[in-house]
Amino acid sequence: GQQLNQSPQSMFIQEGEDVSMNCTSSSIFNTWLWYKQEPGEGPVLLIALYKAGELTSNGRLTAQFGITRKDSFLNISASIPSDVGIYFCAGHPVYNTDKLIFGTGTRLQVFP
Amino acid sequence: DGGITQSPKYLFRKEGQNVTLSCEQNLNHDAMYWYRQDPGQGLRLIYYSQIVNDFQKGDIAEGYSVSREKKESFPLTVTSAQKNPTAFYLCAIAPGAGNQPQHFGDGTRLSIL
Repeated sequence: GQQLNQSPQSMFIQEGEDVSMNCTSSSIFNTWLWYKQEPGEGPVLLIALYKAGELTSNGRLTAQFGITRKDSFLNISASIPSDVGIYFCAGHPVYNTDKLIFGTGTRLQVFP
Repeated sequence: DGGITQSPKYLFRKEGQNVTLSCEQNLNHDAMYWYRQDPGQGLRLIYYSQIVNDFQKGDIAEGYSVSREKKESFPLTVTSAQKNPTAFYLCAIAPGAGNQPQHFGDGTRLSIL
């Protein structure tokens, strides 16, 4: 099955720095979702985007639905140690709105 | 996530055995999903169900079976035909089909003895 191209694969940053990650696809998507997963737990939904160009914030997190509908990015400002985890993008492609396609994940490490 | 319960948290299987993973929800959601996650990988869809008594194969259904006899329950059986069953299994739910965000349980880690 298709997987989204997510980058970077991993990030090692210092507390207080801003973080940016993105997700791209060759297909057009109807939705873009961003999840965070901590070790041994299920992914937790952070932000859901439904319209091209949409920019949505959730605290220090901001995500945007790309104008072409083929990409999305997630920014985290002023990172803190509890931001550590794996961040996944996901979306519903126009060719099958019943299935959620996932990115390969960005592993974030934050050092104090 | 609230409203979704996966059990057990850890499960061990002997060679040649079938094992069943439980997923229960109390949010009255129509759609339920099973994913497999391998170390360092994303999530791959095994099976999904959008209505009681109906389900569809995902991308990696071989060696797995499901049932949806009740709206709140979507158990996954890992059969002996699944040759590499060691993985983290995640159940997810959504209000309905079509462009709905999914919410996940806490997962079951299956290992082979």
